[in-house]
Amino acid sequence: QITLKESGPTLVKPTQTLTLTCTFSGFSLHTSGVSVGWIRQPPGKALEWLALIYWDDDKRYSPSLKSRLTFAKDTSKNQVVLTVTNMDPVDTATYYCVHSSNVMAFGVFDYWGQGTLVTVSS
Amino acid sequence: DIVMTQSPDSLAVALGERATINCRSSQSVLNSSNNKNYLTWYQQKPGQPPKLLIYWASTRESGVPDRFSGSGSGTDFTLTISSLLAEDVAVYYCQQYHSLPWTFGQGTKVEIK
Repeated sequence: QITLKESGPTLVKPTQTLTLTCTFSGFSLHTSGVSVGWIRQPPGKALEWLALIYWDDDKRYSPSLKSRLTFAKDTSKNQVVLTVTNMDPVDTATYYCVHSSNVMAFGVFDYWGQGTLVTVSS
Repeated sequence: DIVMTQSPDSLAVALGERATINCRSSQSVLNSSNNKNYLTWYQQKPGQPPKLLIYWASTRESGVPDRFSGSGSGTDFTLTISSLLAEDVAVYYCQQYHSLPWTFGQGTKVEIK
C-alpha cells in the first residue's frame, strides 16, 4: 500500500525559505519508472504542479517557479525534500506530495498525501 | 504552457440525474504516435486531497464506479456522472500530462439540486 506524508512548518515569514519533507512507503525511489512530485493548492483555488523527481535523480520543475525550487531525494530514508526560497504571501497553499510512475504515465498522480497547509505571513 | 479551461465553474444536479463537465485544452493533448489523449480527471471532496478518477481521457482508475466516464479527444473532453449520488458532491479537475509543465483546469464544483 502506497502512502505519502508531508511535513514542514505551517507558518513562514515573507522572504524566508520553506523546506518540506515527504516521507513515503509502499514503493522505492530506487525502482526504475517511479517518481515523486509536489503539487500545491492555494485556499479555495486550483491545483498547481511544482516539481517532479525521478528514480534516476532527473528532475523537472514548473518554469514559473524553477528559480526558487530545489528538489532532492534521500532514497535510504524514503524521503524527498522540496525547498522554496523567497516565500511570499501568494505562496500560501496546501502542499501535496504525489506519486507518479510509468505504470500509467508520468504526470498521472495516482497517490496523494493528505497535504500540509503553509501560511506565509509576517 | 497548455491552458486547461473547464465549464461550467459549478453545477447543481438532482440526485439520480446526469452531470456533465467539460474541459478544453489550449493545444491538443493527443499524442499521434500512440493515439492516446494525455488527460486525467480528479475528484476532490472537502478537506481531502484529490483522487484520481480517469486517465488516458477515458480509462477509469481501479475501484472507480462505472457511473463515472470520460470521453473526448484532441482539445475537448467531458467527464460524465451518469446518475449522481450524494457522495459525488465534490470539485472535479481535469489535467493534461502531454507537455510540461503539467497543468490543471480551474475546477468544477458539483452540488445537489
